[in-house]
Amino acid sequence: DAKTTQPTSMDCAEGRAANLPCNHSTISGNEYVYWYRQIHSQGPQYIIHGLKNNETNEMASLIITEDRKSSTLILPHATLRDTAVYYCIVRSRHGSSNTGKLIFGQGTTLQVKP
Amino acid sequence: GAGVSQSPSNKVTEKGKDVELRCDPISGHTALYWYRQRLGQGLEFLIYFQGNSAPDKSGLPSDRFSAERTGESVSTLTIQRTQQEDSAVYLCASRAQGASYNEQFFGPGTRLTVL
Repeated sequence: DAKTTQPTSMDCAEGRAANLPCNHSTISGNEYVYWYRQIHSQGPQYIIHGLKNNETNEMASLIITEDRKSSTLILPHATLRDTAVYYCIVRSRHGSSNTGKLIFGQGTTLQVKP
Repeated sequence: GAGVSQSPSNKVTEKGKDVELRCDPISGHTALYWYRQRLGQGLEFLIYFQGNSAPDKSGLPSDRFSAERTGESVSTLTIQRTQQEDSAVYLCASRAQGASYNEQFFGPGTRLTVL
C-alpha cells in the first residue's frame, strides 16, 4: 500500500472550510484514497473515498489532483464537532490481502476553534 | 441502534486476570474485525472474521489473545493473564458483504486498563 504524508496538526475557525491535505506520491493505478476520522474517545469513522474524480457526500468533499499524487479533504463548514484526528489511507479497493485490515498512520489533528 | 456496539465501554482489571470483550456488529454484516489502539497510536489489527471462513488471526500478539464469533453475529475477544502492556482501546468494526474492504464501521471501543 502506498505511503501517505499528512501534516501533524491544523486549526480551523468554526464555520469556515477546513482543507486537509494528503500527499501520496507513490500511489498506483488501482489504489483509492480513503479518509477516516476519529473523534476523541470514539471509534474511527469512514468519511469518503475516491479514485481519480472529485467526490462529494453529506460529510465532505474529496479533491484529487490530476496526477493523483495528492488530495485534499474539504469540510465545507467546520463545526466544533469536527474536531478529530483525520486519517488519509491509500490502498486498493479490496486491500493488499483478502482481509482488508486497515492501517492508520498518525493522521492530522484538526482543531476547530470558536 | 443500527451501529456497532461494544461492551463494556470501560474495563479495569488487575494484572494476571482474564478479560472478555464483546462486539455486536451491524446486523447483516458478514465481516468483523478486532483492532487495538494504544494511547496516541494508530490502529493495530488483531483478527478478522468473514462468514464461515477460517479467521485471519495473524495480528494476535500472543497466545493469551483469542477471539470467537458465532455465525455472523456477536464476537468476543478474550485476553488471558492480562499484562500492563495490554492496556489500550479495543475496537471492533464490521463490513457488509460486497462492500469495499476499506468501508468498515467501527464501534465505540472498550477501554481496557490493566493495573
